[in-house]
Amino acid sequence: QLQLQEAGPGLVKPSETLPLTCVVSGGSISSSDYYWGWVRQPPGKGLEWIASIYYSGSSYYSPSLKSRVTISADTSKNRFSLNLRSVTAEDTAVYYCVRLAYTDWSHWYFDLWGRGTLVTVSS
Amino acid sequence: EIVMTQSPDTLSVSPGERATLSCRASQSVSSNLAWYQQRPGQAPRLLIYGASTRATGIPARFRGSGSGTEFTLTISSLQSEDLAIYYCQQYNNWPPRYTFGQGTKLEIK
Repeated sequence: QLQLQEAGPGLVKPSETLPLTCVVSGGSISSSDYYWGWVRQPPGKGLEWIASIYYSGSSYYSPSLKSRVTISADTSKNRFSLNLRSVTAEDTAVYYCVRLAYTDWSHWYFDLWGRGTLVTVSS
Repeated sequence: EIVMTQSPDTLSVSPGERATLSCRASQSVSSNLAWYQQRPGQAPRLLIYGASTRATGIPARFRGSGSGTEFTLTISSLQSEDLAIYYCQQYNNWPPRYTFGQGTKLEIK
């Protein structure tokens, strides 16, 4: 059974870069059937999509975060990563890595979620 | 950006009764609509995709319906384990511009 496990620093200082990694076990991120991505949830608030990536490297970003975010995939290590630059307190959230499945090639939904990792931005 | 609006914000239902949750899109998303359940302290879990297809392992008491801009999640015969926040999400755009509703909190009376 495929599992997603997030790893993050827990605490990041304002203006620094937040690095996140998602390790995938029980399946391969090189599968042509899935995208991989990140969704975040500020404490007590709703869900926000951040970015998605295909094993080939094709990637997409939320317009509101695009200028500060980079998503990447390492097929040799079966993991994918996110870097969020110039963080502020508003970036404090639980960050989930997700797998995306499709109903057709241009329509993808989040079918599997990691347990999430809380990242706090504070000096 | 497609705005998703859920109603009500909070719903209180007795065990064994039916719960009806609504989700409205600011423009048509066809049937490209998913529902997620987030129990307290847990990650979200996919319930429904394609507006009406249950995900693997989801009980038949969860039913999704609708298309275009109006969608409904119906939970028949509510159980205590259904206590959760339910989110709808559209995935109609390409390139993707995924957006979620603000959530409906389902309480058990």
